[in-house]
Amino acid sequence: DGGITQSPKYLFRKEGQNVTLSCEQNLNHDAMYWYRQDPGQGLRLIYYSQIVNDFQKGDIAEGYSVSREKKESFPLTVTSAQKNPTAFYLCASSRIGVGGNTGELFFGEGSRLTVL
Amino acid sequence: AQSVTQLGSHVSVSEGALVLLRCNYSSSVPPYLFWYVQYPNQGLQLLLKYTTGATLVKGINGFEAEFKKSETSFHLTKPSAHMSDAAEYFCAVSEGKSGGSNYKLTFGKGTLLTVNP
Repeated sequence: DGGITQSPKYLFRKEGQNVTLSCEQNLNHDAMYWYRQDPGQGLRLIYYSQIVNDFQKGDIAEGYSVSREKKESFPLTVTSAQKNPTAFYLCASSRIGVGGNTGELFFGEGSRLTVL
Repeated sequence: AQSVTQLGSHVSVSEGALVLLRCNYSSSVPPYLFWYVQYPNQGLQLLLKYTTGATLVKGINGFEAEFKKSETSFHLTKPSAHMSDAAEYFCAVSEGKSGGSNYKLTFGKGTLLTVNP
């Protein structure tokens, strides 16, 4: 079945350590996104990518980095510069067609990061 | 810039009662509107979407929403709540750039629905 796989589902990190969250999709979607979710704050966009080897900052990119070396993969690194990294992270993807798309997103199951 | 306001961070209903979750948006161009549902520790799943055409949109699990341009609203309803409807619901708006190649979703802060037996 097609879908988006995020790993790990749960991750614990010590302060000062970088950590990388994996996101893989087999939907053949061009665009991929990372969102951060905190209680009561909805989803906030960290980074997004519309094409391989290109990505753009979202609303809260500071302290995060991404890469898009392959169409199906969009890993997110939470760096030690991120002041409050404990959160639930969601990866998503969408189609980009000739006529554009509606913006409908397909989500992974999420990764919960806890900084000790 | 687009934005979404969900009135009520927490809504509680009895099983069998009407569910009404409110969403208002702002957008400088005709919007595309979405409702997503999230169960604990899971990703978001699309309930329904409005793009063009009929303003009353039917989705999965018996939910529907009506796009009212004059009120800039897209409220979600279900005639009779079920225990399995307990989850968090997010309204989102998409605003396309010219050429239609780049659509970003802006989400509301979510409404937690509790269903009481």
